[in-house]
Amino acid sequence: DGGITQSPKYLFRKEGQNVTLSCEQNLNHDAMYWYRQDPGQGLRLIYYSQIVNDFQKGDIAEGYSVSREKKESFPLTVTSAQKNPTAFYLCASRWDSDTEAFFGQGTRLTVV
Amino acid sequence: GQQVMQIPQYQHVQEGEDFTTYCNSSTTLSNIQWYKQRPGGHPVFLIQLVKSGEVKKQKRLTFQFGEAKKNSSLHITATQTTDVGTYFCEGNAGGTSYGKLTFGQGTILTVHP
Repeated sequence: DGGITQSPKYLFRKEGQNVTLSCEQNLNHDAMYWYRQDPGQGLRLIYYSQIVNDFQKGDIAEGYSVSREKKESFPLTVTSAQKNPTAFYLCASRWDSDTEAFFGQGTRLTVV
Repeated sequence: GQQVMQIPQYQHVQEGEDFTTYCNSSTTLSNIQWYKQRPGGHPVFLIQLVKSGEVKKQKRLTFQFGEAKKNSSLHITATQTTDVGTYFCEGNAGGTSYGKLTFGQGTILTVHP
């Protein structure tokens, strides 16, 4: 069954700790994205990748890092430098810039 | 850079009333996508518009792409409680850069039974 999978669904982190969110897709899509969504707000782009071993900063990249070592995987690390990391994080992928995005179920991160 | 403005930010309607959300781009778009996000869920693709002046329908939903390809609208006729959620547009300014894809802020629709 093809799709895009994010894990975990819920994540709790202590202040000062780094945490990595997983995103895996088996759709053979080249492009992958990470978005942050705050309550009642839109989607803000953190990072995107068009191809393996290449990625670009989005609008709010500070305090986040990514890697794209495999086509299927695009993990996001929320570092301790991110001042307000509590949010809903969405991963997405697409074939190319003229096609629709497929979203994962999201990870809800809470800093305690 | 490219901006996609979406209005209204919130819309509260009584069940049975109509609803419309609008997207306006600062640049001409190659295409525009619409998504729906149910409360607590993730955005799900609804439709893509490509041609100038294009109109597409999905049951009670009508999607339009402006003649100048800089604006678009989603209209829901006779809303139902199942229509509750956030509706996003995503504009593509063209070219091969994925960075030229921009989401609108979304319209949060509440339907009162």
